[in-house]
This record gives sequence, C-alpha cells and structure tokens, in this order.
Amino acid sequence: AQTVTQSQPEMSVQEAETVTLSCTYDTSESDYYLFWYKQPPSRQMILVIRQEAYKQQNATEIRFSVNFQKAAKSFSLKISDSQLGDAAMYFCAYRSARSGGGADGLTFGKGTHLIIQP
Amino acid sequence: KAGVTQTPRYLIKTRGQQVTLSCSPISGHRSVSWYQQTPGQGLQFLFEYFSETQRNKGNFPGRFSGRQFSNSRSEMNVSTLELGDSALYLCASSLPGLAGVDTQYFGPGTRLTVL
Repeated sequence: AQTVTQSQPEMSVQEAETVTLSCTYDTSESDYYLFWYKQPPSRQMILVIRQEAYKQQNATEIRFSVNFQKAAKSFSLKISDSQLGDAAMYFCAYRSARSGGGADGLTFGKGTHLIIQP
Repeated sequence: KAGVTQTPRYLIKTRGQQVTLSCSPISGHRSVSWYQQTPGQGLQFLFEYFSETQRNKGNFPGRFSGRQFSNSRSEMNVSTLELGDSALYLCASSLPGLAGVDTQYFGPGTRLTVL
C-alpha cells in the first residue's frame, strides 16, 4: 500500500513571503498522480495543483508550484507571495494511475496547517 | 457549473442508529468517492462508485455501504452507529475515468456526531 508523509504539522509565514510545504510518498508503482489540496477553515477541500508522474516538468499555477523529485519520491509545494487567504490545512495526496485509479482511492498525508502572519 | 453538494451538512445521531448521507456530483461527473475525516486518523478512503457500480473499497467494516443512482447521485449508509463513527464525511466527484485518473472535486462534507 502507498503511504504519504507530511513531516510539518504546522508552518508559519509572513504575508507576501514564500513558503515550501514538504511531502514524501512511498510506492512501488511507476505511474501515478500527485495532488495538493487545500482545506480552509470552512472545510471545503479545494484542489491546488496536480502532477502526473510521467511528466518531468513541474506543475505550476499562479503563485503555486511544485518540486517533483520522482527518484526521491518527494513532492513539495511552494507558495509565493503568501496571502491571508492561503491560511488553511494543506494535504498532499497520491493516486495510482492503474485503470480505475487503483484500489485505494486518494491516499492523503496528515496535512500541514499553514498560518499566515499579517 | 454547480459544485459537489452534500446533504445534510450536520447530523446528530445516537449509538445503534443508522444514517444515510447524500451526495450530488458536479454535472457530467460520473464517478463519486467517499472519504471519512477524523482528527486521529485523518482522511481515509471509504469507497468509489462509477456508473452505479462500486469500483473500489477502502478498509472499513461492512456497516459502511453505499450506492450510486443512474443520475450519478450517491448515498452512503452507516448502520449500527458507534461513537467512533463521528467524523466529517466528504464526497468527491470526477469525470468519467475508465482509463487514467481524473481529478476529484470535493463537496463541503457532512458533519456526523454520534452520541
């Protein structure tokens, strides 16, 4: 079974600064998908970014980018120009690329609580 | 396009009762997954439905069951409730995914409290 580890239970960053959230995973598969989800205090889980393992290029969105290191099984999220609205729990998740997505759905890490200091 | 909706948003039940939670996916999405979120165990996969068939199932007892209707709406049922079933139950929908993996979009969740 796959596992996802987020080693930082809580991170704090000043508004407008950059912060990096760590995620490592363990799998024997070569093809899979990785996700970062954000869960603000309102509890609605929101997709931040998605990465296909077969793509060498790191996924990017406005202010959000990942550092995907397949050999090291590392998938960190960098948030640039942090804003107060970025305060939330951030979850790293894994899903197999096998047909049907594998047997386990999304496998989540325990999450990182991101605090934005004004 | 409307997002994933879940009803009810809050529920209070007593031990031994049963409960049914409902999820309406994003229009056009045919896959629905359910997750349980607790402070101790985090987010755990319950099951996934696609075209009215259970495609995947997590490691939960048989008290947890679900189904999907022809309009892709899904329900999950928990029978003989236990205190440990208190959790936020999240539903997620995705586009048809017979091959490959589509991104899951989550609903706001149903907060179940078992007394």
